[in-house]
Amino acid sequence: QKEVEQNSGPLSVPEGAIASLNCTYSDRGSQSFFWYRQYSGKSPELIMSIYSNGDKEDGRFTAQLNKASQYVSLLIRDSQPSDSATYLCAVITNRDDKIIFGKGTRLHILP
Amino acid sequence: DAGVTQSPTHLIKTRGQQVTLRCSPKSGHDTVSWYQQALGQGPQFIFQYYEEEERQRGNFPDRFSGHQFPNYSSELNVNALLLGDSALYLCASSLWGASSYEQYFGPGTRLTVT
Repeated sequence: QKEVEQNSGPLSVPEGAIASLNCTYSDRGSQSFFWYRQYSGKSPELIMSIYSNGDKEDGRFTAQLNKASQYVSLLIRDSQPSDSATYLCAVITNRDDKIIFGKGTRLHILP
Repeated sequence: DAGVTQSPTHLIKTRGQQVTLRCSPKSGHDTVSWYQQALGQGPQFIFQYYEEEERQRGNFPDRFSGHQFPNYSSELNVNALLLGDSALYLCASSLWGASSYEQYFGPGTRLTVT
């Protein structure tokens, strides 16, 4: 089992709809989780960090963490074409306190 | 407020050569991390520097080494280059502590090894 898994996509979502991106991780004791957005040819940009179970909202973005089920998700409300990018999930492993990135999910917002 | 800067933007090297990549962190940041990103993959953590010491290291061979200077800028050195070292090398800066992985990334250096 890979340490951080994401569906590579592409995930196609109509403009204005909710985009739901999922990430699972293998190290049960992990405590810190991040979502980064990466536009094609650009470097990653931090969107959200989440450390506690439950939801964390920031504008149109909501991160959801469920440590018991070992998954973290990112919801994007009112999706815009400018949200089309690759979304990277990153986890700080409990085992050795190092950051592991998933391969990313490509999101395509359909105008 | 200057963000994270990296140089050079692109680099072409021959197998067996050595390369040095440079990074200046965002103003106010004291921690620098380096990543290797192959096409279609997520960034892979190489190492993290704080107070001029390597604090964390990923699963990379000793051919990869680094340095942090008193002004917090950093270098990544790769010796005996292999074709497989061709990738985008990203530098990220942050503040040391619980949020040291809430990072700002630089634009990256594209390294091609022929």
